[in-house]
Amino acid sequence: ETGVTQTPRHLVMGMTNKKSLKCEQHLGHNAMYWYKQSAKKPLELMFVYSLEERVENNSVPSRFSPECPNSSHLFLHLHTLQPEDSALYLCASSQSQGAGETQYFGPGTRLLVL
Amino acid sequence: LAKTTQPISMDSYEGQEVNITCSHNNIATNDYITWYQQFPSQGPRFIIQGYKTKVTNEVASLFIPADRKSSTLSLPRVSLSDTAVYYCLVGTGNTGGFKTIFGAGTRLFVKA
Repeated sequence: ETGVTQTPRHLVMGMTNKKSLKCEQHLGHNAMYWYKQSAKKPLELMFVYSLEERVENNSVPSRFSPECPNSSHLFLHLHTLQPEDSALYLCASSQSQGAGETQYFGPGTRLLVL
Repeated sequence: LAKTTQPISMDSYEGQEVNITCSHNNIATNDYITWYQQFPSQGPRFIIQGYKTKVTNEVASLFIPADRKSSTLSLPRVSLSDTAVYYCLVGTGNTGGFKTIFGAGTRLFVKA
């Protein structure tokens, strides 16, 4: 196991719903990431947190709201999503943001927006 | 940010050696080269990382020429379970944040 867990593994929600994705890392890492992977597309980096501070936001719509309460937990709050937001959402962590740091990924949450 | 170019797909047979080459002409001095493997509906998994010359671990080898403008992932004696997408990443960390750009990857299909 990678030491990074994500819940739920699958989620179906309507466009008016509010839901949250949870990520937890048991590796003692200081950096955490959210990625989006749409069907047959490359992974897209959404957010980066380092020592609980957001250090990267790749022009992600405001209907996605990340939260990092401590270095082990990362949330992605979802509200008023669109069908095109359906994708696999992956969480990852690394020891730090340093050059060449290896990222450890969770299994992902498969999201379907109806 | 260094952009990477890989073949979209490759086919191989069990027991063969597979070499996947990645081009990264604009690689910067501080950039490392990292390869990940991803199975369907799973997160990517680290395979190997290098900066220059050759790196080998229990899973693969990574060959990097002196100019570092390309790299080759070598998988010895592949099996059916090596069927996956392989990503080449070139990136660096800096005070402004760690930028990771995943390309389309190479879909490797291993046949019996």
